[in-house]
Amino acid sequence: AQRVTQPEKLLSVFKGAPVELKCNYSYSGSPELFWYVQYSRQRLQLLLRHISRESIKGFTADLNKGETSFHLKKPFAQEEDSAMYYCALSGIQGAQKLVFGQGTRLTINP
Amino acid sequence: NAGVMQNPRHLVRRRGQEARLRCSPMKGHSHVYWYRQLPEEGLKFMVYLQKENIIDESGMPKERFSAEFPKEGPSILRIQQVVRGDSAAYFCASSPDRLAPFFGPGTRLTVL
Repeated sequence: AQRVTQPEKLLSVFKGAPVELKCNYSYSGSPELFWYVQYSRQRLQLLLRHISRESIKGFTADLNKGETSFHLKKPFAQEEDSAMYYCALSGIQGAQKLVFGQGTRLTINP
Repeated sequence: NAGVMQNPRHLVRRRGQEARLRCSPMKGHSHVYWYRQLPEEGLKFMVYLQKENIIDESGMPKERFSAEFPKEGPSILRIQQVVRGDSAAYFCASSPDRLAPFFGPGTRLTVL
């Protein structure tokens, strides 16, 4: 079965500190992993996907198949990073059917 | 391109009534997906449609829920005889093909 686990419902860090949002997944095949972000009063939007291996707004995420993890990292948090972050997985069905984690609410304190 | 549009944004229904949620995909997108988010939970896949076809409805409850995406007009998620447990945020997403979808703002359904 496909499952995505985000162990932290809430995460609070100070501005300028490093941020790591954890995501672990369960899938027997080769998954495609995504991070979506939802800023206050805005719609869910794609932040990054592992196959593109790009950095968006200073965030990066590396797929670790050995640890079945796809943690989201940023070296220096900014106040505008405060948002809800969702990790998601798609399997053989492609991006049509995303399995989401429960989300982590990130708060950056000034 | 205005993005994925959903209406209404908020819908209140009494138990036993019908709820109709509409989704207009982005221009040029022929793939539509519906997700449901219950309180304190992540988004759960419900159904995937292409024009006039249901491709995957494995996440749809067996009764009372139906979805369509007609040749003309928006996609509709229909919930008959709503119950309190149907209260949730319903998100629509669209994509032009097998790419990561773009999400709409959601419809928050409250059943009294």
